Amino acid sequence: AQRVTQPEKLLSVFKGAPVELKCNYSYSGSPELFWYVQYSRQRLQLLLRHISRESIKGFTADLNKGETSFHLKKPFAQEEDSAMYYCALKAGSYQLTFGKGTKLSVIP
Amino acid sequence: DAGVIQSPRHEVTEMGQEVTLRCKPISGHNSLFWYRQTMMRGLELLIYFNNNVPIDDSGMPEDRFSAKMPNASFSTLKIQPSEPRDSAVYFCASSWTSGAFYEQYFGPGTRLTVT
Repeated sequence: AQRVTQPEKLLSVFKGAPVELKCNYSYSGSPELFWYVQYSRQRLQLLLRHISRESIKGFTADLNKGETSFHLKKPFAQEEDSAMYYCALKAGSYQLTFGKGTKLSVIP
Repeated sequence: DAGVIQSPRHEVTEMGQEVTLRCKPISGHNSLFWYRQTMMRGLELLIYFNNNVPIDDSGMPEDRFSAKMPNASFSTLKIQPSEPRDSAVYFCASSWTSGAFYEQYFGPGTRLTVT
């Protein structure tokens, strides 16, 4: 069975500091990984997907199959980055398995 | 498109009462998902439908929970009887399962409080 682990429930960083939100996965097949974000009072929305190899709002994430990780990084945190971040794994055609989420708090 | 629509946005009910949550997916999407979000357990998948057919309901906590999708534009999640431990935010999401780039689109959620 697949599993997604986000070891940190809460991560606090100062504005301008680098951010790394950790995500590890367990899956026997070829993984497809995502990061979703939920800003205060807004709905959960896709931030980025590993197959696009894109940078969204300054965030990047690289899939490391050797370490089974998909950590989310940003070099300089902004106050508007404060939100709940979920790592998700797509297994099969339809289903996403989500981690328990990390709440990022950026201190001004 | 207004995106995924859920109603009600907030529901407060007493233990033992029946609760029905509603979802309208994005037009054209062929998959629909119900999730429950709590502080302790994070985001849990309860059930998902593909082409209106339930594919996996292994996440449904117990027989008190049931979900239906009578047509492509409407789904319900029912809890009968409700209990205080059912208090959570319930999200509905929809997706299109074809194409190179997969994405689930979430509704705003229904915050359920059972007293």
